[in-house]
Amino acid sequence: AQSVTQPDIHITVSEGASLELRCNYSYGATPYLFWYVQSPGQGLQLLLKYFSGDTLVQGIKGFEAEFKRSQSSFNLRKPSVHWSDAAEYFCAVGALNTGTASKLTFGTGTRLQVTL
Amino acid sequence: EAQVTQNPRYLITVTGKKLTVTCSQNMNHEYMSWYRQDPGLGLRQIYYSMNVEVTDKGDVPEGYKVSRKEKRNFPLILESPSPNQTSLYFCASGRGLYEKLFFGSGTQLSVL
Repeated sequence: AQSVTQPDIHITVSEGASLELRCNYSYGATPYLFWYVQSPGQGLQLLLKYFSGDTLVQGIKGFEAEFKRSQSSFNLRKPSVHWSDAAEYFCAVGALNTGTASKLTFGTGTRLQVTL
Repeated sequence: EAQVTQNPRYLITVTGKKLTVTCSQNMNHEYMSWYRQDPGLGLRQIYYSMNVEVTDKGDVPEGYKVSRKEKRNFPLILESPSPNQTSLYFCASGRGLYEKLFFGSGTQLSVL
């Protein structure tokens, strides 16, 4: 069964500092990987996704993520964090095989706090 | 404006009183899904639908029902709510599972 681990429950960074949020997945085949962001009181918004090809994926709001098959990771990065990036971030993995084609598994989330 | 609309936004009910949370999308999406969000557990999929009249269980379907009679609507039904169903619920839709999902604003349900 597929699974996603986000080891950091809560991260605090200063505005202007770089950011890396960790995501490790478990899945036997090629995964579909996503990062979503949830601002307070809102639904989730897609930041970026990876299916195949270039392992460095660019997303919205200046975010990027790198797929590393050898480490089963899909970490999210941003070179310079803005105060408006404070939110909860979710990594998700989708199954490629048709037997579980419609299952999207989310991690438990990482809450980002940005100090001024 | 493209959107997923959930109603109600907040709901307080009592154990055993049937309720329905509505979800509607205006993007002609085939894929729709329900999730519940609980502290420390992230989002867990309850049910999903690949198209009209096609629904299937997610990871935590017990105590819930869904129907997909029209493409735009995907209501979540709790026939006999219990306190362990107190949670924040999200509906989502997309052209397919691996396409961008659009989420509603959520329904905060409290079952007393």
